Amino acid sequence: DARVTQTPRHKVTEMGQEVTMRCQPILGHNTVFWYRQTMMQGLELLAYFRNRAPLDDSGMPKDRFSAEMPDATLATLKIQPSEPRDSAVYFCASGLTGVAYEQYFGPGTRLTVT
Amino acid sequence: GQNIDQPTEMTATEGAIVQINCTYQTSGFNGLFWYQQHAGEAPTFLSYNVLDGLEEKGRFSSFLSRSKGYSYLLLKELQMKDSASYLCAVRTDPSTDSWGKLQFGAGTQVVVTP
Repeated sequence: DARVTQTPRHKVTEMGQEVTMRCQPILGHNTVFWYRQTMMQGLELLAYFRNRAPLDDSGMPKDRFSAEMPDATLATLKIQPSEPRDSAVYFCASGLTGVAYEQYFGPGTRLTVT
Repeated sequence: GQNIDQPTEMTATEGAIVQINCTYQTSGFNGLFWYQQHAGEAPTFLSYNVLDGLEEKGRFSSFLSRSKGYSYLLLKELQMKDSASYLCAVRTDPSTDSWGKLQFGAGTQVVVTP
C-alpha cells in the first residue's frame, strides 16, 4: 500500500529556531506539493515541484521558507527563522501527471512555534 | 482573483442525504475535486469532475456545471463515519502546467447525528 510519508509528525520549537520537514513521495510519482493548513486560512499551497524542478512557490514567504527536492525520493521544507505564526499542519502530497489526477496526501507535520 | 465558496457546516441524520454546494470564480479552470478530511487526518480524494454532469461513485456523487461555476457533492445513506470536513478544490492555471495546482475552499464540516 503505497503512501506518502512525512517526518516528523509533530514538532514543537521556539521562535527563531530552524525547522526542517521531510517528505517521501509515493515511488514513481513525479509531482510533489507542500501545503499549510490552519483554522483561519484553510489549506494553502506553498510550493510544488514536477520532476524535482520547482514550478511554483508563490504561496511561500520567501524570506524564511525554502523548499527543495534533493532527489526523487525526498522533498524538504525549511523555515528559518521560525515564528509563532508559522504554527500549522504542513502537508506534503504527491501525484503523477498524465495518468492520475488526484493528489495523495501524507499524514502531515504538526508544527508549534512558541 | 480566486474565490471558492462552500458552507461552513451542515448537520444531517444517519441514513439521510446531504448536498454540499461549492461555487467558484477562478482564473482558468481544469477540473474540480472533492476531498474528505477527518479531524486530525490528511485529506483523501473523493471525486473529480472536468466535464458538466454527474459522476457517481457508490454513496457519493459529484455534479459540475462549468457555465455556472457550481458543483455539489451528494452524500447518500449517511453513516456516522461520514462526519468529516469536505473540501472543494479547483485545478487552475492549465496554461503553464498540464497538471495545475489546486485552489481549495475552506471546507464544509458535516456532522452526522444518530
